[in-house]
Amino acid sequence: RKEVEQDPGPFNVPEGATVAFNCTYSNSASQSFFWYRQDCRKEPKLLMSVYSSGNEDGRFTAQLNRASQYISLLIRDSKLSDSATYLCVVNPPGNTGKLIFGQGTTLQVKP
Amino acid sequence: DAGITQSPRHKVTETGTPVTLRCHQTENHRYMYWYRQDPGHGLRLIHYSYGVKDTDKGEVSDGYSVSRSKTEDFLLTLESATSSQTSVYFCAISESRTGAGELFFGEGSRLTVL
Repeated sequence: RKEVEQDPGPFNVPEGATVAFNCTYSNSASQSFFWYRQDCRKEPKLLMSVYSSGNEDGRFTAQLNRASQYISLLIRDSKLSDSATYLCVVNPPGNTGKLIFGQGTTLQVKP
Repeated sequence: DAGITQSPRHKVTETGTPVTLRCHQTENHRYMYWYRQDPGHGLRLIHYSYGVKDTDKGEVSDGYSVSRSKTEDFLLTLESATSSQTSVYFCAISESRTGAGELFFGEGSRLTVL
């Protein structure tokens, strides 16, 4: 089993739709969690951190479920510009600096 | 955008030749990382550095070596390139040990080994 697993998609949704991605992680003692966004042939960039209490940034909401060992990203009112690959990132125990990246979920927002 | 420059951005080489990728930062961040990205695998850590001359292995370090003689430069060397090392290589920097900090990535170096 991979340490961090994501459905690679692609998720094809119309503009204005709400879409959600999940990401599961195997190590229950993992410490912190992030979502990164990567545009085609570009470098990844931090989208948001994921806190135990959940957090929201505009149309984006991230949640953590430690009991079931998954994090989620919800995008409301999808825009064409949201088309990208979303990477789930987990910081394992020990704060070694060795972040673990999921393979990413690709989102295509259509007009 | 964070000041990270990778060079070369594109390289085609032949099996068995040495290759060095350079990462240069102007942010004075302590931590630097080399990742490779391949379809179906996502980003995988090759080596990282937590200071000048302090480096450690990542998940996929076999066949790679690194050096950091100055805060601003982190070099990744493939002593004898193989076709399995065809990939996109990303350098990243951070101020902290990534527990709470953000990773800033360079634009990537696309390496093809024939």
